[in-house]
Amino acid sequence: GQNIDQPTEMTATEGAIVQINCTYQTSGFNGLFWYQQHAGEAPTFLSYNVLDGLEEKGRFSSFLSRSKGYSYLLLKELQMKDSASYLCAVNNAGNMLTFGGGTRLMVKP
Amino acid sequence: EAEVAQSPRYKITEKSQAVAFWCDPISGHATLYWYRQILGQGPELLVQFQDESVVDDSQLPKDRFSAERLKGVDSTLKIQPAELGDSAMYLCASSLDGQKFFGPGTRLTVL
Repeated sequence: GQNIDQPTEMTATEGAIVQINCTYQTSGFNGLFWYQQHAGEAPTFLSYNVLDGLEEKGRFSSFLSRSKGYSYLLLKELQMKDSASYLCAVNNAGNMLTFGGGTRLMVKP
Repeated sequence: EAEVAQSPRYKITEKSQAVAFWCDPISGHATLYWYRQILGQGPELLVQFQDESVVDDSQLPKDRFSAERLKGVDSTLKIQPAELGDSAMYLCASSLDGQKFFGPGTRLTVL
């Protein structure tokens, strides 16, 4: 089976940096995804890590350590529109994607 | 840009009624997923198709839920009879080379 843990809620200030952590236990790891989801909308793809290290894409970066079963999503220069849920999801060898419960991020002025 | 299509976007029904949701994946995507997302939680996989075959439906409540993808393209998810606890967002996603693309979802409310 798979177990994915991430904090339920986080609060940060506009312009700041926030790091959302995700730990996982899985069999047959085949990549880790981060999605952003605004209330009432579908998840939208942010990043995909399959090898260890940091992937940077604009204001968003994602890190993976397979040996530690750990990933984080780093958001820089926070904007009000970044207020959303951030979903960590692990892909297994059968291409099945399992989600964590999501982290609701609130950005305050 | 190609997108996953879902309909309807919203559905309100009474308990014990039957409901059906439709999904049209991105053209050429062999893998199709149905997820259920209860408010405040992450999506939960209900069923995964590879072409027309079911790969995993271990989390699908088979006494009331059914899913099909007869020609390996579009798919239908049915609930009969609907129960109050089925109120959720039903998300369809498709995949070709690992990356998953989600449709806009169908929000179901069971009264």
